[in-house]
Amino acid sequence: GNSVTQMEGPVTLSEEAFLTINCTYTATGYPSLFWYVQYPGEGLQLLLKATKADDKGSNKGFEATYRKETTSFHLEKGSVQVSDSAVYFCALSEQDNFNKFYFGSGTKLNVKP
Amino acid sequence: GAVVSQHPSRVICKSGTSVKIECRSLDFQATTMFWYRQFPKQSLMLMATSNEGSKATYEQGVEKDKFLINHASLTLSTLTVTSAHPEDSSFYICSARAEEGRLGYGELFFGEGSRLTVL
Repeated sequence: GNSVTQMEGPVTLSEEAFLTINCTYTATGYPSLFWYVQYPGEGLQLLLKATKADDKGSNKGFEATYRKETTSFHLEKGSVQVSDSAVYFCALSEQDNFNKFYFGSGTKLNVKP
Repeated sequence: GAVVSQHPSRVICKSGTSVKIECRSLDFQATTMFWYRQFPKQSLMLMATSNEGSKATYEQGVEKDKFLINHASLTLSTLTVTSAHPEDSSFYICSARAEEGRLGYGELFFGEGSRLTVL
């Protein structure tokens, strides 16, 4: 079946540090991959996505590359800010049913000044 | 941008009572909405797909009579947890897909979630 595994948190970094949040997936076919972010008291917001192998999604300084050979979609940012503190969810949607999403358990990021 | 709003954000109830959670798409119509549930330190799990004007489609293992879903209009879906018990305590979140003809078409927008605590 389909599933998403992401690193457990919380992850605590100092401002301007490099961020990596690992995400691997199991899926049949060619799923689309997503990173969502949830700020305190708000709903999940789409951060970036990639719909096919070797695609790179990017937004707000965050990047993730769809690696089919390693079934991974790791999230990276070169220099985090305090405002990046949030919970990050990796997710996939099925190739044949884009309405069906599978989420990782979320990784809480704390960025300290 | 599109906003999906849930109400209430937090609810505490006694065991045996029923609780209703609303999910509204504030500036777009959504023929389909989705309800998820999240246990502590676990993934968001899709519970059901809510279809406007027809019955909801439930995922395997989700009790239809326990979690009643009504999608009475193009902007409102409700989830009612009937005869709630402590094991129903969880974080419930809804989402809706933006319709064709607007910015963000195809994107899935999420509500802020509702935390249910059953005593």
